[in-house]
Amino acid sequence: DAKTTQPNSMESNEEEPVHLPCNHSTISGTDYIHWYRQLPSQGPEYVIHGLTSNVNNRMASLAIAEDRKSSTLILHRATLRDAAVYYCILSGYKIIFGKGTRLHILP
Amino acid sequence: DSGVTQTPKHLITATGQRVTLRCSPRSGDLSVYWYQQSLDQGLQFLIQYYNGEERAKGNILERFSAQQFPDLHSELNLSSLELGDSALYFCASSVLGASSSEGYTFGSGTRLTVV
Repeated sequence: DAKTTQPNSMESNEEEPVHLPCNHSTISGTDYIHWYRQLPSQGPEYVIHGLTSNVNNRMASLAIAEDRKSSTLILHRATLRDAAVYYCILSGYKIIFGKGTRLHILP
Repeated sequence: DSGVTQTPKHLITATGQRVTLRCSPRSGDLSVYWYQQSLDQGLQFLIQYYNGEERAKGNILERFSAQQFPDLHSELNLSSLELGDSALYFCASSVLGASSSEGYTFGSGTRLTVV
């Protein structure tokens, strides 16, 4: 199974943009890149996904490198409610979550 | 409300006992996934069912089993429980299955405490 690598934790100030990186050097051509987040005491929540092109939705943007070996989740204006663990995963035969990045938002 | 319903929300039981966790997928979803999340651990994939049949297996112990019924709800059975089985158990559903572009919808989980 293709794996992803994310920083253990990141910090950002409230109302500033946040860029969460993810490396996936062994991604296959058919793997989609998915991002989920998990708020304390809740189940994971879908954020965004993409294949090759950059994607935007109401929650975030996903920037995918041209070689697809890395991607970046962009929260345009972080709020305290965005403090969560963010998981970058690849869709494949089995969906495997890594440890994710714990995002701290400073007021 | 995500549309994925898990019951019960909390469960406390003794070592050696057996419990059943239930998951009702979002309406229209054919796939159900089970995950285990221990304290300070990531989400461990256990098993996936698609339209009643087992589709993929993760690190699921032999003491654990699951099934998906004709109405598409799923049950995860945990037997001979040990203290280390204490965890949050999440169910997720999707229309199709893995290897697709769609996202998963997760339930709010069942917190199992083994004493």
